[in-house]
Amino acid sequence: AQRVTQPEKLLSVFKGAPVELKCNYSYSGSPELFWYVQYSRQRLQLLLRHISRESIKGFTADLNKGETSFHLKKPFAQEEDSAMYYCALSGTGYSTLTFGKGTMLLVSP
Amino acid sequence: AAGVIQSPRHLIKEKRETATLKCYPIPRHDTVYWYQQGPGQDPQFLISFYEKMQSDKGSIPDRFSAQQFSDYHSELNMSSLELGDSALYFCASRGASGNTIYFGEGSWLTVV
Repeated sequence: AQRVTQPEKLLSVFKGAPVELKCNYSYSGSPELFWYVQYSRQRLQLLLRHISRESIKGFTADLNKGETSFHLKKPFAQEEDSAMYYCALSGTGYSTLTFGKGTMLLVSP
Repeated sequence: AAGVIQSPRHLIKEKRETATLKCYPIPRHDTVYWYQQGPGQDPQFLISFYEKMQSDKGSIPDRFSAQQFSDYHSELNMSSLELGDSALYFCASRGASGNTIYFGEGSWLTVV
């Protein structure tokens, strides 16, 4: 079974502060990990894929297989980063995405 | 670039009525997924289709059914609607060559 855990329901920071949204997963094989962002109940937008190792909007995430984690980080938060962030896991083949419960990020001025 | 198109954007139905949501995947995407997101909830997987065949089934109620047509669009049919069915329903699609799943804007269903 695959499971994604996001331990923080809400993370509130000031503008310019570093941000780390935690994500841990459970999967027996080699998973694909993703971060999706959702602004005000709009569509789920893909933010990052672990296999592409890219940085989007200043966010990065590294897959740590030893700790089964895929934490999302940004060195300096901006007000426009305020949104709901979902960590998601996809197994091998064409398996579905399993989402974590999500973390609401609030960035205050 | 073309995205996943969902219709309608908003839908209000009464209890015990029937509703149909439509999803048009990104061109050349052969896999479609349906998710339900209740108020304050994370998206829950309902059902998926690959090449017009059901490929996986999640927490879809027996009152709901879905299918994928020859042009790869999909429809989610919901009958005997209950108040608890009020949610944002997302459709997503994935292509044969990629692992990334792309989501539509969602269809808001309100059952009154």
